[in-house]
Amino acid sequence: DSGVTQTPKHLITATGQRVTLRCSPRSGDLSVYWYQQSLDQGLQFLIQYYNGEERAKGNILERFSAQQFPDLHSELNLSSLELGDSALYFCASSFRTGLEQYFGPGTRLTVT
Amino acid sequence: GESVGLHLPTLSVQEGDNSIINCAYSNSASDYFIWYKQESGKGPQFIIDIRSNMDKRQGQRVTVLLNKTVKHLSLQIAATQPGDSAVYFCAESPQTGANNLFFGTGTRLTVIP
Repeated sequence: DSGVTQTPKHLITATGQRVTLRCSPRSGDLSVYWYQQSLDQGLQFLIQYYNGEERAKGNILERFSAQQFPDLHSELNLSSLELGDSALYFCASSFRTGLEQYFGPGTRLTVT
Repeated sequence: GESVGLHLPTLSVQEGDNSIINCAYSNSASDYFIWYKQESGKGPQFIIDIRSNMDKRQGQRVTVLLNKTVKHLSLQIAATQPGDSAVYFCAESPQTGANNLFFGTGTRLTVIP
């Protein structure tokens, strides 16, 4: 158990819908990262927050957004969902930027 | 963008043998490298990391070797066990303090009892 929690574990929704994925980092960690993993692909970095502020953006679509709240939990919002958005979405956390990241169990999103 | 690749997508080893998983990276400025293990249905699990000022680092049954000359990274697992069966990812960070990791596509390790 990495100490990072993600909810929900599974999510099934229809195209065009909007969903919110939630992540709670390890106790004391200030950085939260979001990754997308499709099928047997590697992990693609989406976005990072550090202590409430956006720190870096990767391959995140404009339909996707995220935020980190004062209690340091983070939410990833996915809107206008398409079939191709079906994937595993992982959250990771680290104490500071540049240190090892610890991953949560992921949310499996299925868009039908 | 960054490019982190793996030489072999699959690797099968006999239980008890040593495993070597290789990874090539393209950015000579990369400062930090990390190996993750991902079991089916789970999130990636940190195994070991290494910074560019080192060429070898050992953990429990695992060793990471870094060859900056040829931009190559390897993970050695000693006395491989069935529980080691998983997909292994290498990842790099282009500079100290960088915000995110660039992951390779992964190698699936299968341990044959």
